[in-house]
Amino acid sequence: GESVGLHLPTLSVQEGDNSIINCAYSNSASDYFIWYKQESGKGPQFIIDIRSNMDKRQGQRVTVLLNKTVKHLSLQIAATQPGDSAVYFCAENGDGGSQGNLIFGKGTKLSVKP
Amino acid sequence: ETGVTQSPTHLIKTRGQQVTLRCSSQSGHNTVSWYQQALGQGPQFIFQYYREEENGRGNFPPRFSGLQFPNYSSELNVNALELDDSALYLCASSLAGVQSNEQFFGPGTRLTVL
Repeated sequence: GESVGLHLPTLSVQEGDNSIINCAYSNSASDYFIWYKQESGKGPQFIIDIRSNMDKRQGQRVTVLLNKTVKHLSLQIAATQPGDSAVYFCAENGDGGSQGNLIFGKGTKLSVKP
Repeated sequence: ETGVTQSPTHLIKTRGQQVTLRCSSQSGHNTVSWYQQALGQGPQFIFQYYREEENGRGNFPPRFSGLQFPNYSSELNVNALELDDSALYLCASSLAGVQSNEQFFGPGTRLTVL
């Protein structure tokens, strides 16, 4: 069935190190992917997105990589800071977004040690 | 902050009761999506509203219903509440017609069913 999953449920990194969060997706019809950050007690916050016609996109301290061959998505955070501590979700638009929905993975909890 | 607001923040109901949750979309956005997020899970798509009509629906029973108003705000109604309905309910707004499915989330309403 359709699914978006994460390889690592928890990730602990030292402040200043780079973080890599991985995600696998199974719906080949998905053509849009988003990474969200969710802090405790808050709604998901948009970080960065990528369309399927790209394999890399960079933002401020973040980079998203898309490998359509193996249906893999990753989020790289450079110089991780304590404020980056949160749960990170990848999401895909499934059937091309015709139903308007995003399909979310279960999330990876990122803990940054000072 | 995304500009998406939800009310109430928290709510406690008992089994069998009915509940109405409210969402105001970000200025300029005409589409509202509702998601249910169980503890420790990613958000699950309930439905989306566009032009005051349901534009897509996830795997939720008919006792989950919604409305969208001319000002694009929206309500989520849940009848005959069950214990498993306890979750964080998230509203996300977006602009239909743009290529991406970028959705901006509100802070959510925490519903507890006893």
